[in-house]
Amino acid sequence: GQQLNQSPQSMFIQEGEDVSMNCTSSSIFNTWLWYKQDPGEGPVLLIALYKAGELTSNGRLTAQFGITRKDSFLNISASIPSDVGIYFCAGQLRSGGSNYKLTFGKGTLLTVNP
Amino acid sequence: DAGVIQSPRHEVTEMGQEVTLRCKPISGHNSLFWYRQTMMRGLELLIYFNNNVPIDDSGMPEDRFSAKMPNASFSTLKIQPSEPRDSAVYFCASSSTYRPVYTFGSGTRLTVV
Repeated sequence: GQQLNQSPQSMFIQEGEDVSMNCTSSSIFNTWLWYKQDPGEGPVLLIALYKAGELTSNGRLTAQFGITRKDSFLNISASIPSDVGIYFCAGQLRSGGSNYKLTFGKGTLLTVNP
Repeated sequence: DAGVIQSPRHEVTEMGQEVTLRCKPISGHNSLFWYRQTMMRGLELLIYFNNNVPIDDSGMPEDRFSAKMPNASFSTLKIQPSEPRDSAVYFCASSSTYRPVYTFGSGTRLTVV
């Protein structure tokens, strides 16, 4: 089956530092998504990528869809304490008809020290 | 838009009891997903529905787990009988056919003692 390798597993950084995390897959995906999960809540969508090579920003967040369609990265610039949480990548390969099934990475736990 | 609504937020039950988790997807979304999250396994897809029809239940751990979607605005995940190893956070998510982006609920934290 499809598997996503997300790294790093966890990060401890100082406020103001930049952060980079990535996901690689053994399979080609049509869509890459990045989610953030705050404690006690469900994952919330940060960025969606739909084309190979696509580079998209959302405020201090930037994500790219790899040319090979097997990887994606997420960068956070000038981190702040509220960036703390678990970041998940997710890939989607349309599986027949109109069914969309996402495969999630294991997550990156980000801790920001003020 | 109220988002995906799950209930209860927390559930503590004794081993052997029946547990029912509930989900109301976003209006207009026609796909619904049930996930389980644990530290060891991360987010696991249990089952998903498309237009109220179960499409893939290969992630359901065993026969103790069952899910239904009687209409477009309601789904349940039932565990009977519950066991301590079922303790986890269970998420429901929904999406639209034409946009492969899931919106998650806030989850139900289940503790089986």
